[in-house]
Amino acid sequence: EPEVTQTPSHQVTQMGQEVILRCVPISNHLYFYWYRQILGQKVEFLVSFYNNEISEKSEIFDDQFSVERPDGSNFTLKIRSTKLEDSAMYFCASSIGSGANVLTFGAGSRLTVL
Amino acid sequence: GIQVEQSPPDLILQEGANSTLRCNFSDSVNNLQWFHQNPWGQLINLFYIPSGTKQNGRLSATTVATERYSLLYISSSQTTDSGVYFCAVDPFYSGYSTLTFGKGTMLLVSP
Repeated sequence: EPEVTQTPSHQVTQMGQEVILRCVPISNHLYFYWYRQILGQKVEFLVSFYNNEISEKSEIFDDQFSVERPDGSNFTLKIRSTKLEDSAMYFCASSIGSGANVLTFGAGSRLTVL
Repeated sequence: GIQVEQSPPDLILQEGANSTLRCNFSDSVNNLQWFHQNPWGQLINLFYIPSGTKQNGRLSATTVATERYSLLYISSSQTTDSGVYFCAVDPFYSGYSTLTFGKGTMLLVSP
């Protein structure tokens, strides 16, 4: 069964450092997403991406965050200058269409900011 | 935005017992998914069920869209069923699939 692949599975970084989380969505999917889950809390939407641009973003997705599809397969989330409160599990997801379509999630990247 | 309420928040079962998890939502949806988050944090998609009934082995789900709720049934529970179960919805009025998650039901199945 096709899957969404995320790397790294766990990253530890110092406050103020830049972090890039990587995702390989399912190959025929056109819509890509990042979600975040702070430990013990619910999963929250960050951003959606379609046709090489951001289609929607939440209030959480401020100027320190950016997304990019640098080539035909990868989809990245960059956190410019990490803060302690950025510690969370970050999930990438993809779907073949928008609206009434299944989102398939990756296994997550756990980010720990010290 | 749309509100998603899950109940119960916590559930402890003996292995072999059955359970029903509930998800109420505040608006019409075009997407509803149930997820199981395992102890390693992975989100496993269980069902895509904006309406109707589906079954997959010991798990089944029913969504009554007109009454804005969904139920997840787990029969003959096993210890590997332990984890957090999330319901997530996407309202009709959103242009893109921005799933809103509930707070989840934490299930512990003891041997």
